[in-house]
Amino acid sequence: AQSVTQLDSQVPVFEEAPVELRCNYSSSVSVYLFWYVQYPNQGLQLLLKYLSGSTLVESINGFEAEFNKSQTSFHLRKPSVHISDTAEYFCAVSSSNDYKLSFGAGTTVTVRA
Amino acid sequence: DGGITQSPKYLFRKEGQNVTLSCEQNLNHDAMYWYRQDPGQGLRLIYYSQIVNDFQKGDIAEGYSVSREKKESFPLTVTSAQKNPTAFYLCASSIAASGVGETQYFGPGTRLLVL
Repeated sequence: AQSVTQLDSQVPVFEEAPVELRCNYSSSVSVYLFWYVQYPNQGLQLLLKYLSGSTLVESINGFEAEFNKSQTSFHLRKPSVHISDTAEYFCAVSSSNDYKLSFGAGTTVTVRA
Repeated sequence: DGGITQSPKYLFRKEGQNVTLSCEQNLNHDAMYWYRQDPGQGLRLIYYSQIVNDFQKGDIAEGYSVSREKKESFPLTVTSAQKNPTAFYLCASSIAASGVGETQYFGPGTRLLVL
């Protein structure tokens, strides 16, 4: 079975500053990695995912994540955040022998003016 | 518009009472899932269904039951055996359960509170 660790539970950041959310996973087989975003009192929305190929994946709203197999990581970054990026972010993993998603505990990002 | 709907948005349960949370999707997805979300714990899988008339227990199925009589519907019943039901419940679906790297699409959630 696979598992996910999100290393930061809370990340406060000023508007227009960069942000990085850390995610590490464990699995003995090939993995597929996801970042979801949850705005207050709403469901989750897919932000981006890595299946194969280029290790750098991007979303349409300026986020990017890099798959690092040697460090078993999939950190999420954005070079300049907006107030509207205030949300909770979840890293998730599935694998070639367990298609069910395993979620991390989440990272709450609070963007301040 | 295609999507997943959950009702009600808020639900109150009395001691000893069974309550049912609704989940409907019009995405024509085969697979559906129920998760429980507690602060600081992420999402935990309660039940999932890969196809109509079939479902499997997830990691925390005790005190819950489901049915999958129609492709578009996957209701979750929180029974009186669930001693700590206060949580945010999320329903999700994907095109197929066993596809490589399938994206799951989520509903808006139901918040269950105990009176």
